Amino acid sequence: GEDVEQSLFLSVREGDSSVINCTYTDSSSTYLYWYKQEPGAGLQLLTYIFSNMDMKQDQRLTVLLNKKDKHLSLRIADTQTGDSAIYFCAEIKVGTGANNLFFGTGTRLTVIP
Amino acid sequence: GAVVSQHPSWVICKSGTSVKIECRSLDFQATTMFWYRQFPKQSLMLMATSNEGSKATYEQGVEKDKFLINHASLTLSTLTVTSAHPEDSSFYICSARGLAQKSSYNEQFFGPGTRLTVL
Repeated sequence: GEDVEQSLFLSVREGDSSVINCTYTDSSSTYLYWYKQEPGAGLQLLTYIFSNMDMKQDQRLTVLLNKKDKHLSLRIADTQTGDSAIYFCAEIKVGTGANNLFFGTGTRLTVIP
Repeated sequence: GAVVSQHPSWVICKSGTSVKIECRSLDFQATTMFWYRQFPKQSLMLMATSNEGSKATYEQGVEKDKFLINHASLTLSTLTVTSAHPEDSSFYICSARGLAQKSSYNEQFFGPGTRLTVL
């Protein structure tokens, strides 16, 4: 398909792990990103992964990349209420000139105390 | 880290008026700036890409005469919504990328967004 796809909603209990999934479109994408958007705010880059990597870990965040299936996931360990936000995956599509970012639909994560 | 600001953070205007939104890179020179539009509960839609000193490149379906973009300096880009109508109400977000970011992982730094409401 043409779109970067994500599930729209995810609810987890505080302290549990959250896994947010994304299916991207361009197998030639060089970098894949996860952004966090808190209510009424802009986007904050959480982490990124280069396409020749399968996994990247950064403190509570683990990114897994399955290039064959064009599947990207973000795992948040020990999820906290402050993690409640919308999470966007994004890819750079090769050949789009300025290497523009293309965003997924966003997953709204709700952390239940 | 690199900081991008937007002004105003929110604006309410009457239908038919024009509104200008500013996007500034505060601590780096932004060779490329991007303007996005975000509808409620939806993803970001790229509107246009602007390089300093040249005309903006608009995405398909975005009216360049309605959404005027100027990138006159390496730290400032402006988006002017001309003759605004209620359907232009949205959250507008800019991002910026400088020379340093171009050689690393292509990171774009995002502004906090501007909420436009057209009555």
